[in-house]
Amino acid sequence: DGGITQSPKYLFRKEGQNVTLSCEQNLNHDAMYWYRQDPGQGLRLIYYSQIVNDFQKGDIAEGYSVSREKKESFPLTVTSAQKNPTAFYLCASSNPGLAGGPDTGELFFGEGSRLTVL
Amino acid sequence: DAKTTQPTSMDCAEGRAANLPCNHSTISGNEYVYWYRQIHSQGPQYIIHGLKNNETNEMASLIITEDRKSSTLILPHATLRDTAVYYCIVRVPRIYGNKLVFGAGTILRVKS
Repeated sequence: DGGITQSPKYLFRKEGQNVTLSCEQNLNHDAMYWYRQDPGQGLRLIYYSQIVNDFQKGDIAEGYSVSREKKESFPLTVTSAQKNPTAFYLCASSNPGLAGGPDTGELFFGEGSRLTVL
Repeated sequence: DAKTTQPTSMDCAEGRAANLPCNHSTISGNEYVYWYRQIHSQGPQYIIHGLKNNETNEMASLIITEDRKSSTLILPHATLRDTAVYYCIVRVPRIYGNKLVFGAGTILRVKS
């Protein structure tokens, strides 16, 4: 089945260590996104990518890095520079739709990765 | 993208209709209204979207006011499994890289 797979689901790391969260999609979507969610809060955009080899900072990009070497993959690295990395991280993808074709624009989300820094 | 405002929480009796409002008074002419829901510790799930006409699918109905400044998501027969956080956002489809703004959403509690 088509979808978005995030791994790992749970991750524990010591303070000062970099950690990379995986996001893979087989929906053939061009655009991919990373969001962060803190308890009781909405989703905040970290980075997004419109196309392979291109990505843009979102609202809270400091302390994070991404790459988009393949259409299917958009990994997120949480670096030691991120002051409060403990959070729930969500990856999403979307396909705005072809001109004249079905107009969806909806986001498809993965199941999330919960990072805890000890 | 225009911002939205939603009530913090709502309760609904099982089997009754759940009506979730959303205010988007600054919506522009080419922005659609999208609804998602998030069950605890899972990724958000798309529910429905619309531009100006009312929309219905197997999950819900979306009623958009004539001036498009507000909308209501209707779950016709709420079940306990509909307990979740519901997000209303506005965006322009076919435009990559929207900084989609998700607020805190509405916590819907369906009670037996």
